[in-house]
Amino acid sequence: DSGVTQTPKHLITATGQRVTLRCSPRSGDLSVYWYQQSLDQGLQFLIQYYNGEERAKGNILERFSAQQFPDLHSELNLSSLELGDSALYFCASSVDLWNEQYFGPGTRLTVT
Amino acid sequence: AQSVTQPDIHITVSEGASLELRCNYSYGATPYLFWYVQSPGQGLQLLLKYFSGDTLVQGIKGFEAEFKRSQSSFNLRKPSVHWSDAAEYFCAVALTSGTYKYIFGTGTRLKVLA
Repeated sequence: DSGVTQTPKHLITATGQRVTLRCSPRSGDLSVYWYQQSLDQGLQFLIQYYNGEERAKGNILERFSAQQFPDLHSELNLSSLELGDSALYFCASSVDLWNEQYFGPGTRLTVT
Repeated sequence: AQSVTQPDIHITVSEGASLELRCNYSYGATPYLFWYVQSPGQGLQLLLKYFSGDTLVQGIKGFEAEFKRSQSSFNLRKPSVHWSDAAEYFCAVALTSGTYKYIFGTGTRLKVLA
């Protein structure tokens, strides 16, 4: 158990819908990262927050957005969902910007 | 552009054999270096990391990695592979100078033959 929690574990929704994925970092970790993992794209870095502020952006679509709240939990919002958004979404946390990341178990999103 | 390359997409070894997974990075300075492992259906778990100092680092589960500055490499090794080591392995770098970035390689999937 990494100490990072993600909810829900599984999510099935229809195209065009909007979903919110939630992540609680390890106690004491200030940095949160979001990743998308699919068979064809591999592990793709989406976005990173540090102590509530966005610090790095990767291959995140405009239909996706995220935020980190004062209690340091983070949410990833995915809207206007397409079939191609079906993937495993991981959250990770680290104590600071440079250190190792601890990954949550992931949320498996299926868009039908 | 900065990048991390894992040239082997798939590797198959027999149980008990030695293992080396390759990782090369492209970056002007020495980054922080990591190896992660992902078992099927699981999140990634850190195996080991290199920040500075001794270039041979020991990790969990009997893994070690050696940083070679001249080759911009950080290869992962294990002297004797166990069937439970079958998983996907990711090399990652944290670029600490200028714009912050954390970059993962594309992964190497390890299959272990009994």
